[in-house]
Amino acid sequence: DAGVTQSPTHLIKTRGQQVTLRCSPKSGHDTVSWYQQALGQGPQFIFQYYEEEERQRGNFPDRFSGHQFPNYSSELNVNALLLGDSALYLCASSSWTSGPYNEQFFGPGTRLTVL
Amino acid sequence: GNSVTQMEGPVTLSEEAFLTINCTYTATGYPSLFWYVQYPGEGLQLLLKATKADDKGSNKGFEATYRKETTSFHLEKGSVQVSDSAVYFCALWPEAQKLVFGQGTRLTINP
Repeated sequence: DAGVTQSPTHLIKTRGQQVTLRCSPKSGHDTVSWYQQALGQGPQFIFQYYEEEERQRGNFPDRFSGHQFPNYSSELNVNALLLGDSALYLCASSSWTSGPYNEQFFGPGTRLTVL
Repeated sequence: GNSVTQMEGPVTLSEEAFLTINCTYTATGYPSLFWYVQYPGEGLQLLLKATKADDKGSNKGFEATYRKETTSFHLEKGSVQVSDSAVYFCALWPEAQKLVFGQGTRLTINP
C-alpha cells in the first residue's frame, strides 16, 4: 500500500516564476492538506481540499492556490514566487468520513528553492 | 489564538539517557494533542496522541500526558537510542483537519 507521494522531490525556481507541486494521497483517503515548513520551523497549514473544494485555509496570500482532482490527488500552485517561499512543502492525506480527528499521513515533501 | 511552544533545541544526549522535551500550548476549547517525528529526508510521522485531559499517549517507548491544568504535553522516554535521533514536533488540533505545530526540537543521541 503506497503512502502519500509527492513530486517533484526538489525544485529550483527564480523570483517571479510560478510553480506547481503534486500530491497523491494514501489509498483510501479523500482529503488532502498542504503545509509549508520553512527551514528550522514547524509546518504551517496552507489549505485543505475535500470533494474538490477548498475547505479550510490558513494565513497565506492568494498567490497560493490549489486544486483537487476526482481521483483525490492534489496540486499546490504558487504564483509570483518570492525568496521567502523557499521551504519544504508537505502534503498530508486523511479520510474525511472517518471523523474530524482522523490521523493525517504525511508525504516526504517537496523542497522548493527560490533564487 | 492557538499556538504551541516547544523547548529550545538542539538537544544532545548519550544513549540510554532519559529524555524530556517540553511542550506547552494555548488553545480555546479542548484540543487534541500530538507528537510527530521527522527523520532526515522523510515526512512527518505520528508518534503518539492524546484526545482529552489526563490521557496518556504512548508508542515505541515514548510517552506524553495531556495536562489541561498546566496546558502541557511533555514528551518523555526512559532510555533513548541512537535511532531516536530526529526532529520532534508537538502539535495541537483545535479544529478538524488543521494541525498547529510547534517549532520543533532537534534531538541527537550519541553512542
